[in-house]
Amino acid sequence: SQKIEQNSEALNIQEGKTATLTCNYTNYSPAYLQWYRQDPGRGPVFLLLIRENEKEKRKERLKVTFDTTLKQSLFHITASQPADSATYLCALIEYGNKLVFGAGTILRVKS
Amino acid sequence: DGGITQSPKYLFRKEGQNVTLSCEQNLNHDAMYWYRQDPGQGLRLIYYSQIVNDFQKGDIAEGYSVSREKKESFPLTVTSAQKNPTAFYLCASSPGLAGGFAVEQFFGPGTRLTVL
Repeated sequence: SQKIEQNSEALNIQEGKTATLTCNYTNYSPAYLQWYRQDPGRGPVFLLLIRENEKEKRKERLKVTFDTTLKQSLFHITASQPADSATYLCALIEYGNKLVFGAGTILRVKS
Repeated sequence: DGGITQSPKYLFRKEGQNVTLSCEQNLNHDAMYWYRQDPGQGLRLIYYSQIVNDFQKGDIAEGYSVSREKKESFPLTVTSAQKNPTAFYLCASSPGLAGGFAVEQFFGPGTRLTVL
């Protein structure tokens, strides 16, 4: 089954900088890849979905890339703000149409 | 105001007791899911249902049971057979059988279960 690796160390950045989070997977390339935001003690919230034939997807200050050769997705937040501080989860579609989630990366944006 | 509700937010259980977690959605979604989240781990799928009166086991179904008698409701029972039930439980839904797991999932606020 798929294994997803997200950086377990928290990412600390200064307000206004671009945050880049990484999601690596081990097996076959999924048809879809999703990113979610989760705040402490709350359920995840969907942010973006990117398909395998899309190299890049944007939504406001968010950008996601999908490189099936590297088996990697990058999630960027430009002009980051303290309110962007949260855990960001990557999720892939597995055979049988099940979602597999990574453990997430904590982002801390300092003012 | 559409969404997913889970209750209770916090639940305490004595060892050997069964407990049922509630999940209700008014989004008119066909598919519903239960996940478990432990510190430092990704969400793990317990059970899912793509249509009323039908459900399938996820990756960690042992010690859990579900029912799907109504489209809007998908309760999860944590039985005494679950050896390590203390965790954060999340319910989610997504639209339409055609979308399957590909489309976004909408999550509830979660229930934190603690076994005393």
